[in-house]
Amino acid sequence: EVQLVQSGAEVKKPGESLKISCKVSENIFSNYWLAWVRQMPGKGLEWMGIIYPGDSETRYSPSFQGHVTISADESISTAYLQWTTLKASDTAMYFCASLSGWLPDYWGQGTQVTVAS
Amino acid sequence: QSVLTQPPSVSAAPGQTVTISCSGSSSNIGNSYVSWYQHLPGTAPKLLIYENHKRASGIPDRFSGSISGTSATLGITGLQTGDEADYFCGTWDSSLSTGVFGGGTKLTVL
Repeated sequence: EVQLVQSGAEVKKPGESLKISCKVSENIFSNYWLAWVRQMPGKGLEWMGIIYPGDSETRYSPSFQGHVTISADESISTAYLQWTTLKASDTAMYFCASLSGWLPDYWGQGTQVTVAS
Repeated sequence: QSVLTQPPSVSAAPGQTVTISCSGSSSNIGNSYVSWYQHLPGTAPKLLIYENHKRASGIPDRFSGSISGTSATLGITGLQTGDEADYFCGTWDSSLSTGVFGGGTKLTVL
């Protein structure tokens, strides 16, 4: 079974940078799109963007374009979500998910990011 | 405000049947497949239903999905206490060119 294992919870200060990860267990990494999804406290899920690790093609939701960077390292089957300058409003749970037919099938367990001074 | 609209909560007694609705528009549910997920806080969401009505691997036939126009419905029969979780729908939106989700529905099994 496919497993997506995300990095642990992070507590950061506004203005700091951060990179969280999502390691995919099986040899599907290069052949499936991966998505990053945000869930702010008490809110629904928001589609942030997707990456095709095979060629690193990346597509961002307009709401997140320019605010985060999605990348992947095919050699270690790991995708990343990165911020250069965190804000308090980035406090949320972040999920990665593999896509089948453009919708998530397998999900990571989530990474809680807390940004507070 | 989520693109897809779900009731915030539903409840029913063990053994009963519950339905959870997911309302969208012609740019999403109206022309794309819908998936349903079960999510227990602190765990990875689990795919229940894909392509509107197909059960994911290992999902019992107590779970079902259906579509009518721009709305989707998840049905759960023979409710068990272990079904208590958040349930959310997802689909592709052709106008936004992104996936979209419902706000989630918390199921309580009384």
